[in-house]
Amino acid sequence: GQNIDQPTEMTATEGAIVQINCTYQTSGFNGLFWYQQHAGEAPTFLSYNVLDGLEEKGRFSSFLSRSKGYSYLLLKELQMKDSASYLCAVKDSNYQLIWGAGTKLIIKP
Amino acid sequence: ETGVTQTPRHLVMGMTNKKSLKCEQHLGHNAMYWYKQSAKKPLELMFVYNFKEQTENNSVPSRFSPECPNSSHLFLHLHTLQPEDSALYLCASSQDPGDSAYEQYFGPGTRLTVT
Repeated sequence: GQNIDQPTEMTATEGAIVQINCTYQTSGFNGLFWYQQHAGEAPTFLSYNVLDGLEEKGRFSSFLSRSKGYSYLLLKELQMKDSASYLCAVKDSNYQLIWGAGTKLIIKP
Repeated sequence: ETGVTQTPRHLVMGMTNKKSLKCEQHLGHNAMYWYKQSAKKPLELMFVYNFKEQTENNSVPSRFSPECPNSSHLFLHLHTLQPEDSALYLCASSQDPGDSAYEQYFGPGTRLTVT
C-alpha cells in the first residue's frame, strides 16, 4: 500500500530552527508538496519538490531525496504564527495526492 | 473574491436528514476535489472532477453524492449519514490534475457533525 509518515507533533522555541521529516512509499512519484494548515483553516501551499535537492523560499526550505523516499521541511527564525500543522503529500503515478497525517508544530516563546 | 469558498462553514444534521455542501472556485481552474479530514488522520480524497467529468471515486459510500454543474461549482449531497461521517469536508481546485507541478487550492471547509 501507499504510505506517508511524518511525526505527529513537534515543539520548538520562537526564533529557533525546526526540521519536519517526511518519508514516503508510493506507487510512482510525480512530486512532493508541503502544506501549512492553521487550526480551523484551509491548508495552504508551501513548497513543491520534484527533483532531488533543496528548494528555498524565504524562511522555509524543503529538501527531497527520491532514492531514500525522504523529504524535510526546514523552518528558520520561528515565529509564533508558525504554530500550525504541516502536511506532506506525494503525487503518485496516477497524479493523485497521497497525504500524511500532518505534523502539529507548537512554538513556545 | 476569495479563491475557493465553501458553505456552510458548520453543519449539524441528524442521520435521517438530507443536506448539501457547496463549493465555488474563482481561480479559473479545471479540476475540483472533495476531501474528508478527520482528526489525526490523513486527508482522504473522495471525488475528483476534471472539466466537470468525474474522474475519481475512491470507494465512497453512496450516502455521499457529488454534483459538478460547471467547472466553478461543486456540491456534495448528503443523506442518511452515520456518526462516523462527522469530519471536516474540504473542497479544493487546481489546474490540470495530470500535471505534477500544479498545487491544489483549498477552501476553508465545512465542519460536519452527525447526531
